[in-house]
Amino acid sequence: NAGVTQTPKFQVLKTGQSMTLQCAQDMNHNSMYWYRQDPGMGLRLIYYSASEGTTDKGEVPNGYNVSRLNKREFSLRLESAAPSQTSVYFCASKAGLALTDTQYFGPGTRLTVL
Amino acid sequence: AQSVTQLGSHVSVSEGALVLLRCNYSSSVPPYLFWYVQYPNQGLQLLLKYTSAATLVKGINGFEAEFKKSETSFHLTKPSAHMSDAAEYFCAAISGGGADGLTFGKGTHLIIQP
Repeated sequence: NAGVTQTPKFQVLKTGQSMTLQCAQDMNHNSMYWYRQDPGMGLRLIYYSASEGTTDKGEVPNGYNVSRLNKREFSLRLESAAPSQTSVYFCASKAGLALTDTQYFGPGTRLTVL
Repeated sequence: AQSVTQLGSHVSVSEGALVLLRCNYSSSVPPYLFWYVQYPNQGLQLLLKYTSAATLVKGINGFEAEFKKSETSFHLTKPSAHMSDAAEYFCAAISGGGADGLTFGKGTHLIIQP
């Protein structure tokens, strides 16, 4: 039982390049999330997926797209990377829709855009 | 919109001393509240959560927190600090009615002095 896994762990991009961050969970969770963490800012929600086949914008969605490929996988795509997207990206999942359900986090992807 | 404020970006205590990390929330309705811990270069791990079942919540590693509606607070405490408690701590809230994601405070870095 690996929990929430993310690939890659580290990535360096040049401005304008594209890439996809991958996230998978093996806990049979329904809801999945993408957050970004910036120094002194805490974590901010980019997109979430309440269930397979649905996605919704969070607080900071501009410059990103997501795909809920199936129940296990939720990917985050940067179409044209910008230096402002340099951050640590965390994927999370939770079992259902209850507000009190615990969100479980992956180890993160550290992205640098030059 | 809700917000979470953590007083003190850095808190330093001596090993064996009381740990007190402050969290205040601002919400039109009392939210559900969470404390997460992040060790260096790792993802976030749940310490405890308030689900309205009890105002005093006990978590892992000897931490506890008390929900005080009158003070809109959910401060985290531990009677005796251990070197292994050195980490970043995040308070987070969710109250529904909008994006189904956590709203995080900016974090408090806990330093343990030997």
